[in-house]
Amino acid sequence: AQSVAQPEDQVNVAEGNPLTVKCTYSVSGNPYLFWYVQYPNRGLQFLLKYITGDNLVKGSYGFEAEFNKSQTSFHLKKPSALVSDSALYFCAVRDRASGGSYIPTFGRGTSLIVHP
Amino acid sequence: DAMVIQNPRYQVTQFGKPVTLSCSQTLNHNVMYWYQQKSSQAPKLLFHYYDKDFNNEADTPDNFQSRRPNTSFCFLDIRSPGLGDAAMYLCATSRDRGGSKSLHFGNGTRLTVT
Repeated sequence: AQSVAQPEDQVNVAEGNPLTVKCTYSVSGNPYLFWYVQYPNRGLQFLLKYITGDNLVKGSYGFEAEFNKSQTSFHLKKPSALVSDSALYFCAVRDRASGGSYIPTFGRGTSLIVHP
Repeated sequence: DAMVIQNPRYQVTQFGKPVTLSCSQTLNHNVMYWYQQKSSQAPKLLFHYYDKDFNNEADTPDNFQSRRPNTSFCFLDIRSPGLGDAAMYLCATSRDRGGSKSLHFGNGTRLTVT
């Protein structure tokens, strides 16, 4: 099975500073990688994905992620954090589900806290 | 706006009393999923529909059932809820099942079992 690891339960950053949320992956073959964000008592929202092409992927709300094959990483970044970015962030990898479908398998999530 | 809507947002049920959660979508997506999420953990896939084709994950308890009467609606039935079934239940849709498209999530139903 494919998997992702998010090594940090929580990331703290001051507003205006750059932020990084880490994700490493373990797959056989070429990975399909995703980032989702979850605000309190809400569903997950898609931020960005890497399927193929440029290693630097740009997504919603000013977020970007860099696919690094040699380090098997897909870290999420933003140049300048906002208090409103505070949320739970999930990295995900495409994995095989029942019935021939493919679904995202999520990491355990990283809580991002941006301090004013 | 096209979206995924879950009702109710909050559901309280008694131990052992059947409960049904509902999900509707206006995206006309072929695939609908039900996830269980406990206490800020990763969402766990329970089952999904590809059109009318039902696909159950191997470790989903028999206590959980699902129905998809048409493209727009999908229901999660919990036949005899236990205290361990208290969680956020998330419905999601996708245009296809190839895994390259993003999932669109509803805002979830938070289930409390008393």
